[in-house]
Amino acid sequence: EIVLTQSPGTLSLSPGERATLSCRASQSVSSSYLAWYQQKPGQAPRLLIYGTSSRATGIPDRFSGSGSGTDFTLTISRLEPEDFAVYYCQQYGSSQYTFGQGTKLEIK
Amino acid sequence: QVQLQQWGAGLLKPSETLSLTCAVYGGSFSGYYWSWIRQPPGKGLEWIGEINHSGSTNYNPSLKSRVTISVDTSKNQFSLKLSSVTAADTAVYYCAREGPWYCSGGSCSTDAFDIWGQGTMVTVSS
Repeated sequence: EIVLTQSPGTLSLSPGERATLSCRASQSVSSSYLAWYQQKPGQAPRLLIYGTSSRATGIPDRFSGSGSGTDFTLTISRLEPEDFAVYYCQQYGSSQYTFGQGTKLEIK
Repeated sequence: QVQLQQWGAGLLKPSETLSLTCAVYGGSFSGYYWSWIRQPPGKGLEWIGEINHSGSTNYNPSLKSRVTISVDTSKNQFSLKLSSVTAADTAVYYCAREGPWYCSGGSCSTDAFDIWGQGTMVTVSS
């Protein structure tokens, strides 16, 4: 099983700033099958990024994904008030899915 | 627009069987895999397993001995059964579609969950 470790656990930033969230895998992720989600309290997760760098339908272009192998990054170029939430990475390989433990993005 | 609607019992006693169903409205059922995912209170997400329209399944090895996912193509529904529940199974359970499809390097695949149900809180307590 591939274990995903997200860092930092909590990120405190202000609106307008740039956010960089990290996701590190315990072994190489197959074919860059890496996705990112945003979750707000009481809501289901929302898909932001799939295939490492493709934005899902309706996701603003301030969200971008990058990386390969074992190191992946979600970048939010300029934080809007609605971006403060918990973010999860997720990988797919060998017919199995695993999630990271999450990064909480909070208002500073 | 595809929507997932899920339902099932929200309160169980230890050793009982959890049973949830998810209905798919407004889109193709046969072209996708469909998953169950859970989230204990205040914790992260755990994938439980998946099924396609022909009944092909894959399960999380940590839950495989207790999980059964089935499909009813006549109703565009899929279901989850988790046997011998304990307090550790207390969680919000989500159904989700695996998508979107995308093609890279000559092959097409899905690697994410693009449509989610509303979630069902299941509590296991004596």
